[in-house]
Amino acid sequence: DVKVTQSSRYLVKRTGEKVFLECVQDMDHENMFWYRQDPGLGLRLIYFSYDVKMKEKGDIPEGYSVSREKKERFSLILESASTNQTSMYLCASSFVGPYEQYFGPGTRLTVT
Amino acid sequence: GQQLNQSPQSMFIQEGEDVSMNCTSSSIFNTWLWYKQDPGEGPVLLIALYKAGELTSNGRLTAQFGITRKDSFLNISASIPSDVGIYFCAGQKGGGADGLTFGKGTHLIIQP
Repeated sequence: DVKVTQSSRYLVKRTGEKVFLECVQDMDHENMFWYRQDPGLGLRLIYFSYDVKMKEKGDIPEGYSVSREKKERFSLILESASTNQTSMYLCASSFVGPYEQYFGPGTRLTVT
Repeated sequence: GQQLNQSPQSMFIQEGEDVSMNCTSSSIFNTWLWYKQDPGEGPVLLIALYKAGELTSNGRLTAQFGITRKDSFLNISASIPSDVGIYFCAGQKGGGADGLTFGKGTHLIIQP
């Protein structure tokens, strides 16, 4: 079974704090993705990575950065958290082909 | 980024009824995926479709990749209480390293 784990299920941070969200997959997938999910807006792609140290911007990268130092680990960084970054954050991974993406359980981040 | 048009937005059905939902797009996709998400959890992959016209089943679930490559549908036969949740369609245009474009979800509610 594919397993994608995320470091926290729930997180509460203050405005201006630096926030790290960690994702680890155990299936040797090349690709890893970060999405955020908001009511009425659905899932939106923030960043993705197709190889170690490689990253590509998704649809809404502003205010975020990512790091992929090892194949199994993909981190999402909020340099200075803001209240509009309160959301559910979902990590996913996939092989280059086939293209099925497998999701982690999500991190519900609240920024106060 | 583009969103897929998923309908209906919500469905209230009786246990045992069949369910049908669909996704349409103005663009062509090379892959269609269907996910189910339970409250507070990440989406779980149900069915993946790779070829136009492809019809694939997974137990009581059946999904089809539209001939035009701009649409897909998901059917659930003889619904049961554990089918409750939010169903998302997702499309992928490119090959391999490419994020998914999601529909906004169909919220399935089953009345006993």
